[in-house]
Amino acid sequence: GEDVEQSLFLSVREGDSSVINCTYTDSSSTYLYWYKQEPGAGLQLLTYIFSNMDMKQDQRLTVLLNKKDKHLSLRIADTQTGDSAIYFCAETKIYNQGGKLIFGQGTELSVKP
Amino acid sequence: NAGVMQNPRHLVRRRGQEARLRCSPMKGHSHVYWYRQLPEEGLKFMVYLQKENIIDESGMPKERFSAEFPKEGPSILRIQQVVRGDSAAYFCASSPEVRGRNTEAFFGQGTRLTVV
Repeated sequence: GEDVEQSLFLSVREGDSSVINCTYTDSSSTYLYWYKQEPGAGLQLLTYIFSNMDMKQDQRLTVLLNKKDKHLSLRIADTQTGDSAIYFCAETKIYNQGGKLIFGQGTELSVKP
Repeated sequence: NAGVMQNPRHLVRRRGQEARLRCSPMKGHSHVYWYRQLPEEGLKFMVYLQKENIIDESGMPKERFSAEFPKEGPSILRIQQVVRGDSAAYFCASSPEVRGRNTEAFFGQGTRLTVV
């Protein structure tokens, strides 16, 4: 089935690390994505990871992938108040003609000064 | 290269009216997706289109909702006889030809539909 799950809320203090977790179901997903949504805005692609990797680092962002457990995480180092937003993970469902993204419910990150 | 353009940004309709939401994909993108975000919920897939073809409409309600992506012009999501439960943010995303199974999609700012 198509089911991506995330915890709904995370609260951290400014300067701490944030870790947002996600589990997905489709083992054939070759790419997994993290998107960020600020209030009243659309979704912004943050990063993605190819399924044959187990880690990807991009500045303050680190993505970890455990393909055996179908578990994905996003770590934000030195979290800032501007990081407060909703973070969505997404897996891909592939067709012959292309593919679509299936999203989790989103994790609302609250950063306290 | 302009991003994905959706209009209008905000739309108010009375119950029973029709809502038309427009989406112009990024230049060179031939795949369009529509998602719905209800208050306090995540994004739910509605429909996946390529030019003049519906690839997957498994997330579309069976009645009142339709979508098209004509050869020329924007993609249109049409909701007939709107009800209060249709109030939501509707997001459009586009992607280029899928290469190597990377379906990286770029999102518009959304249309916020309010049914009164």
